[in-house]
Amino acid sequence: KAGVTQTPRYLIKTRGQQVTLSCSPISGHRSVSWYQQTPGQGLQFLFEYFSETQRNKGNFPGRFSGRQFSNSRSEMNVSTLELGDSALYLCASHHVVADDREDLPQHFGDGTRLSIL
Amino acid sequence: AQSVTQPDIHITVSEGASLELRCNYSYGATPYLFWYVQSPGQGLQLLLKYFSGDTLVQGIKGFEAEFKRSQSSFNLRKPSVHWSDAAEYFCAVGAGNNDMRFGAGTRLTVKP
Repeated sequence: KAGVTQTPRYLIKTRGQQVTLSCSPISGHRSVSWYQQTPGQGLQFLFEYFSETQRNKGNFPGRFSGRQFSNSRSEMNVSTLELGDSALYLCASHHVVADDREDLPQHFGDGTRLSIL
Repeated sequence: AQSVTQPDIHITVSEGASLELRCNYSYGATPYLFWYVQSPGQGLQLLLKYFSGDTLVQGIKGFEAEFKRSQSSFNLRKPSVHWSDAAEYFCAVGAGNNDMRFGAGTRLTVKP
């Protein structure tokens, strides 16, 4: 079974631009979570999508948004990029069984390294 | 809400020596507990998990962890460290609703 796939692996943008990152979860996993990882702040939870709906949200500004498609693939978008948005963005997926029982743990992709110049 | 503390930011051990990484959690009920490892430029790989039952859990790569409810701890151990174990290690606690919280991580350096 293929793992979580994130594209692109590396991205360079300039301040003020916007960016879209993509995540394909493990087949059968309907929950997708996004994290930002920086040396100073560590792993911070951005948001989680389940069945095309945002189910949980971290403490990030509205410039950070996401969506999930019917095939469970997810995208996250960051608008008006700032230097502080430089980070490794990680996507994780996990299985949710039919009665909404969570099947942790989360499985992570290798991330997208975003650099803002 | 649950939280995780990893008291050691950086640990250095000699190759072949034993290792223990500390993790303390805060959660009102029986938590789901996890250890992940991250190599540079990579995502997080699950080492082991604890949901219930036997408090000593075995993971991949020769790692084990012990859940101690009285100490709110879930320390990771390995009897003999290999140079390839150098990485960052994250402890995480999860509630039933997928609210996972991660510790700040412990960076492991292995001396030859």
